[in-house]
Amino acid sequence: DAKTTQPTSMDCAEGRAANLPCNHSTISGNEYVYWYRQIHSQGPQYIIHGLKNNETNEMASLIITEDRKSSTLILPHATLRDTAVYYCIVRTLPGAQKLVFGQGTRLTINP
Amino acid sequence: GAGVSQSPRYKVAKRGQDVALRCDPISGHVSLFWYQQALGQGPEFLTYFQNEAQLDKSGLPSDRFFAERPEGSVSTLKIQRTQQEDSAVYLCASSSGAYTGELFFGEGSRLTVL
Repeated sequence: DAKTTQPTSMDCAEGRAANLPCNHSTISGNEYVYWYRQIHSQGPQYIIHGLKNNETNEMASLIITEDRKSSTLILPHATLRDTAVYYCIVRTLPGAQKLVFGQGTRLTINP
Repeated sequence: GAGVSQSPRYKVAKRGQDVALRCDPISGHVSLFWYQQALGQGPEFLTYFQNEAQLDKSGLPSDRFFAERPEGSVSTLKIQRTQQEDSAVYLCASSSGAYTGELFFGEGSRLTVL
């Protein structure tokens, strides 16, 4: 699975949009981009995934560049409960099942 | 229950003791994963089951680590002769194997080896 690069940490004001970038320049054509987050003392939680089209659900939006070498997770109206470590992961489907986590981005939402 | 359940939530062991960590996956989920998460790090893959078959154990750090899922449901991760470096949170996740490939994680078992 392709490797991803994320900033170590980010801050965002409560109520504003949080935009978390991820680089995955070696992604191949059959690899999906997944985002998970991990709130302190909890297990990781699925947020969203996509292949090449932008995706939106009740939690977030995922914007993937046309060349698929990078993506951005958008939390449109961040709340204090969104403070967590966010992981960008690239994996194939339905082949390899496991997720390979990197270090993630520690997002802090400030009041 | 509705989610993945792990027990115990906290375990303190003396160096050299054996420990067993239990995972109850979501009912009907065929895939089960174990991860190890050291303090301040992302989760590291340990092993993967599809039903009762252990298909990938490439992440197990040593032969002191053993996992089983004999009936394709509950799984146990056993660590023999624990060492201080085994101190970590052990996460279990399950998946239905459906197209989305979403993994559902438990809250983890925090192991501290003294």
